[in-house]
Amino acid sequence: DIQMTQSPSFLSASVGDRVTINCKASQNINRYLNWYQQKLGEAPKLLIYNANSLQTGIPSRFSGSGSGTDFTLTISSLQPEDVATYFCLQHNSWPWTFGGGTKLELK
Amino acid sequence: EVQLVESGGGLVQPGRSLKLSCAASGFTFSDYNMAWVRQAPTKGLEWVASISYGGSNTHYGDSVKGRFTISRDNAKSTLYLQMDSLRSEDTATYYCARVGGIPFDYWGQGVMVTVSS
Repeated sequence: DIQMTQSPSFLSASVGDRVTINCKASQNINRYLNWYQQKLGEAPKLLIYNANSLQTGIPSRFSGSGSGTDFTLTISSLQPEDVATYFCLQHNSWPWTFGGGTKLELK
Repeated sequence: EVQLVESGGGLVQPGRSLKLSCAASGFTFSDYNMAWVRQAPTKGLEWVASISYGGSNTHYGDSVKGRFTISRDNAKSTLYLQMDSLRSEDTATYYCARVGGIPFDYWGQGVMVTVSS
């Protein structure tokens, strides 16, 4: 199975900060990487698919980059409503596997 | 609006069975593959099972193979997960998710399953 190592596990940042979250795959997954946001008590929401494509309706402050084994989710200017847990998913090879998650809070 | 609503969770003893349902609306259910994903307390997400849009093809994670059965009723726009021989390690929140051209593009809010004596 492909292991997805996500970092950091916990992140504290201020409103307006640029925030980056990373996922590293144990082997090449091309660009088959999605990013999700999960707020407490809510369903996970797709933010970015195929490494850098913004899902419809998602604010443009969210962006994704990377290919191969290293990927990044960037929030260009953190907003209060961005407090959530973020996680990645690789869908290059079965079984699809997830990163461990990053809990983002406001400083 | 795409909606996925899980039900059927609860407290169950080890070795017993439980069946989860996921009612879908807001899209043509029979056009999409579907999946179950779970998250144990304080753990990461784990893909559990997937089923093709017609129901003829199914896949399972190693941890549930032989114990869980995924199925669907396209006439009712409902996805199921039959869980047999439950173990304490199956304790988790279970989510159903749509698998389209973009995997897991929509998720339900989840249903809690607790396996304990």
